[in-house]
Amino acid sequence: GAGVSQSPSNKVTEKGKDVELRCDPISGHTALYWYRQSLGQGLEFLIYFQGNSAPDKSGLPSDRFSAERTGGSVSTLTIQRTQQEDSAVYLCASVTGESSYGYTFGSGTRLTVV
Amino acid sequence: GENVEQHPSTLSVQEGDSAVIKCTYSDSASNYFPWYKQELGKRPQLIIDIRSNVGEKKDQRIAVTLNKTAKHFSLHITETQPEDSAVYFCAATSGSARQLTFGSGTQLTVLP
Repeated sequence: GAGVSQSPSNKVTEKGKDVELRCDPISGHTALYWYRQSLGQGLEFLIYFQGNSAPDKSGLPSDRFSAERTGGSVSTLTIQRTQQEDSAVYLCASVTGESSYGYTFGSGTRLTVV
Repeated sequence: GENVEQHPSTLSVQEGDSAVIKCTYSDSASNYFPWYKQELGKRPQLIIDIRSNVGEKKDQRIAVTLNKTAKHFSLHITETQPEDSAVYFCAATSGSARQLTFGSGTQLTVLP
């Protein structure tokens, strides 16, 4: 597609439930990033995928968070046993190559844990 | 790892005036410094970037300056307009880090 697509755009879930967030990067972009943006805050790095290399998971806040990228394209971020502090906008970005130059962000998924 | 600090957190200017947002970074190996604009409820969008081999870059009313010695960089917006109102984020990265580290953002309000 023409841009980075994320779904759902909004998700309300009960505390303790699992959620899956999806990111469709720009076709041909080999690098994909997940960031989290809490209300009124900056962007917090979560995880980075580059081609077939092992992902950089150094930003994941706890073992309740995991992500995978299938076929070098679509990525899914999974949050297990959601907590209220997980409420945030989750942003995905893709880049053409190995460097972090020129992110294109998706419109994000607003997650609310009640 | 990289640490990016951004000031001010909020900035109000009169339409037509200039706005300056400043960021500092900690990793001397950082070599790429983009600025993103995020309008309310929308995705961050790249507005300008600079690499460490230049000291200044301009694009119409927007300019970015970089001082590698002092490890700080700034965004300058001249002749501000109401549509410039948004949150602006600076970021930095080095090739080895592979991800951007963002500042905490500046809410710019341009008053008509």
